[in-house]
Amino acid sequence: GAGVSQSPSNKVTEKGKDVELRCDPISGHTALYWYRQRLGQGLEFLIYFQGNSAPDKSGLPSDRFSAERTGESVSTLTIQRTQQEDSAVYLCASSPAFLGAREKLFFGSGTQLSVL
Amino acid sequence: DAKTTQPTSMDCAEGRAANLPCNHSTISGNEYVYWYRQIHSQGPQYIIHGLKNNETNEMASLIITEDRKSSTLILPHATLRDTAVYYCIVRVINSGYALNFGKGTSLLVTP
Repeated sequence: GAGVSQSPSNKVTEKGKDVELRCDPISGHTALYWYRQRLGQGLEFLIYFQGNSAPDKSGLPSDRFSAERTGESVSTLTIQRTQQEDSAVYLCASSPAFLGAREKLFFGSGTQLSVL
Repeated sequence: DAKTTQPTSMDCAEGRAANLPCNHSTISGNEYVYWYRQIHSQGPQYIIHGLKNNETNEMASLIITEDRKSSTLILPHATLRDTAVYYCIVRVINSGYALNFGKGTSLLVTP
């Protein structure tokens, strides 16, 4: 596809369960970002990938959160033992690597996670 | 990154120009000004960026003051579809770190 694709678009889970959220970036984009947005709040940075490595994991809120990226493409954000405060929209973005364009982020439509 | 200050909310009549201000008085010489917007239930969308010269593209114009301490995003003929939260971000270009989106300005375009 032409844009950033995220799946699932909606996920309802029970407290304590693990969830996996997937992001397919734009082909050729080496940088990939995960953000979280709680209802009525701003975007909260979680983690940044350059290629398959993650030079900045500073936003991950706890050790229940992890992310990986393989093949410089797909990324998975995993939340273990979900809590109600994890309910939010999880947004993925990618950007090109070439100079002058790295701050032009292209966002997906997000995954709405609801923890009951 | 330099701190930015934006009004919490603004209104604009459809068809009129929407002028969204941003204060970034602590901006340093190698920091660019970026604008994004987020329409309800969508991910943010890049609009425009600039260093010191005024910039224009198909979406908007960016006017940066001579001292670079503030800027204005101009939507020349606002439509109802321009209703969104607009984020002003200051960042060293090519720094390779994530953008901090802050709280932005909620723009309501009215009929």
